[in-house]
Amino acid sequence: TQLLEQSPQFLSIQEGENLTVYCNSSSVFSSLQWYRQEPGEGPVLLVTVVTGGEVKKLKRLTFQFGDARKDSSLHITAAQPGDTGLYLCAGAGNNFNKFYFGSGTKLNVKP
Amino acid sequence: GAGVSQSPRYKVTKRGQDVALRCDPISGHVSLYWYRQALGQGPEFLTYFNYEAQQDKSGLPNDRFSAERPEGSISTLTIQRTEQRDSAMYRCASSYRTSGLNNEQFFGPGTRLTVL
Repeated sequence: TQLLEQSPQFLSIQEGENLTVYCNSSSVFSSLQWYRQEPGEGPVLLVTVVTGGEVKKLKRLTFQFGDARKDSSLHITAAQPGDTGLYLCAGAGNNFNKFYFGSGTKLNVKP
Repeated sequence: GAGVSQSPRYKVTKRGQDVALRCDPISGHVSLYWYRQALGQGPEFLTYFNYEAQQDKSGLPNDRFSAERPEGSISTLTIQRTEQRDSAMYRCASSYRTSGLNNEQFFGPGTRLTVL
């Protein structure tokens, strides 16, 4: 069973559209990370959020950590084909060392 | 600089054989993690090391799986008496710090294991 559930599992949109993916859990995490993974490659870290309610922006990507530190969202504005990939969230335990990954959201942005 | 490397990249073995998967972390990285990843899914934690000490092996599926990192650098994940259900991508990651808020993991390309 996954500690972190991501939704939607699959998302196919047109270039220029906005989207939001969600990462939910019944557990509290010390921090939450978002990764993007391209086919044949390992996950690459996008951002780490630590404080409940925290919002971080990375160009067209906006990440939010829930107030209770149990959930997070990733919003992409004006999606581009280069955003295509598998988006993973990962929650860290108390020592920020052991990470629990979500099930992933596979995003396809069509030109 | 060089990233995390893993070898072999692909391994096909027959059921019942033992396999050893190698991970070479980024130089200077003190923590090393092993994950197993099914296609289209997130990585599943197996075990991790700080330096040469195995800190947590709670994710290893059963006692056929073991890992070591004797000199605090290269690590080997060994699967004994492989079974078809062991087929998966095995990924290694390393991080510069042992803990802390900005503990970023850098992932290797993985070893695709197929058990026939």
